[in-house]
Amino acid sequence: DAGITQSPRHKVTETGTPVTLRCHQTENHRYMYWYRQDPGHGLRLIHYSYGVKDTDKGEVSDGYSVSRSKTEDFLLTLESATSSQTSVYFCAISGGSLGTGELFFGEGSRLTVL
Amino acid sequence: GENVGLHLPTLSVQEGDNSIINCAYSNSASDYFIWYKQESGKGPQFIIDIRSNMDKRQGQRVTVLLNKTVKHLSLQIAATQPGDSAVYFCAELRSNSGYALNFGKGTSLLVTP
Repeated sequence: DAGITQSPRHKVTETGTPVTLRCHQTENHRYMYWYRQDPGHGLRLIHYSYGVKDTDKGEVSDGYSVSRSKTEDFLLTLESATSSQTSVYFCAISGGSLGTGELFFGEGSRLTVL
Repeated sequence: GENVGLHLPTLSVQEGDNSIINCAYSNSASDYFIWYKQESGKGPQFIIDIRSNMDKRQGQRVTVLLNKTVKHLSLQIAATQPGDSAVYFCAELRSNSGYALNFGKGTSLLVTP
């Protein structure tokens, strides 16, 4: 299995509070991604990173920010959590050569916003 | 917008039968596709991939077929086993988004004894 660790694995928080999810990899892969998974929507890309301090938005980036200060860590922050951000969040990494799109996923972080 | 979608949300098959899961895509520029399997409470796991310059690719008990003419992708699982019960996603590569994958909504496969 690819060395990807997500933390926390489960979190319950209240509306309006800040939340940070962490993704840590031991594979030294260049690309890292945050997806959210909701019933009926599959996996949707929030943000991705293509290198240290290099990030870009995905299709559902509103309300989220990310940071990547080290190759191994990619943080997802909800500045002020809302109930619509209740979801399962997956981090993924990719180090394949150009055009090889295989992503390796973490085990997910279940976030509940009350 | 352009998307990757699945024909059926659920599929029930008997143990030992072959399973076929279908996927349609609309972006004719997509040139790389992957099938993932997701078991309950876990992250998606890679099954098999195929490039657009191929029509068919085989793995262990799995085959992916690509029909570019009708923009259709299928995953065939031979001799389906109870351990194959999971949600299956097709995904296409988006080269203009840091090689992120665009996922379909998933098909739930249930294998009955």
